[in-house]
Amino acid sequence: NAGVTQTPKFRVLKTGQSMTLLCAQDMNHEYMYWYRQDPGMGLRLIHYSVGEGTTAKGEVPDGYNVSRLKKQNFLLGLESAAPSQTSVYFCASSYDRLPSVGRSTGELFFGEGSRLTVL
Amino acid sequence: SQQGEEDPQALSIQEGENATMNCSYKTSINNLQWYRQNSGRGLVHLILIRSNEREKHSGRLRVTLDTSKKSSSLLITASRAADTASYFCATVPIQGAQKLVFGQGTRLTINP
Repeated sequence: NAGVTQTPKFRVLKTGQSMTLLCAQDMNHEYMYWYRQDPGMGLRLIHYSVGEGTTAKGEVPDGYNVSRLKKQNFLLGLESAAPSQTSVYFCASSYDRLPSVGRSTGELFFGEGSRLTVL
Repeated sequence: SQQGEEDPQALSIQEGENATMNCSYKTSINNLQWYRQNSGRGLVHLILIRSNEREKHSGRLRVTLDTSKKSSSLLITASRAADTASYFCATVPIQGAQKLVFGQGTRLTINP
């Protein structure tokens, strides 16, 4: 089972360039998330989606855009890359929304990460 | 701001010993989850404990939750070299958007 697949795994950009990270999941999950991981900062939520055609802002959305045109795909775009966006980006998905007590587990399935360097 | 804070930031023990990691959080939660991340890899879900639970076991893992102290602990018994990884706690706050908020992690090293 592929699970959550991120492409590309590595990318180097120059300041001002644009790019798109693709996340694909084959588990028919409703919910998808984009996080960034920086040293000493843990994971911070950028944007998330609760279903096809929907997106919402997370903790650090500035400088990023997302789209969820198909249920299985969640795209993260950088329109004008900045050095502060150098990070490792993780996509995750879950079957259901994060749970209330007694509902589904809310377990997140993560991709392997995409390391982005902006020069 | 980060909801969960892990303690210690780094832990190094001998194979076979038990490893204990702690997590503190600030606001009331719906549930708390622990994840493991091997170097250069994605996070893998280990265990979830709900706010109305106090202890949960899964194989060599034991998780406790004390909502009065807003803290949780993860115990790995009989550690193995393969347990070397970073461990993160993540919380789902009751108030606000239902999203998972991660701590900064504990780097665990198991020495053979």
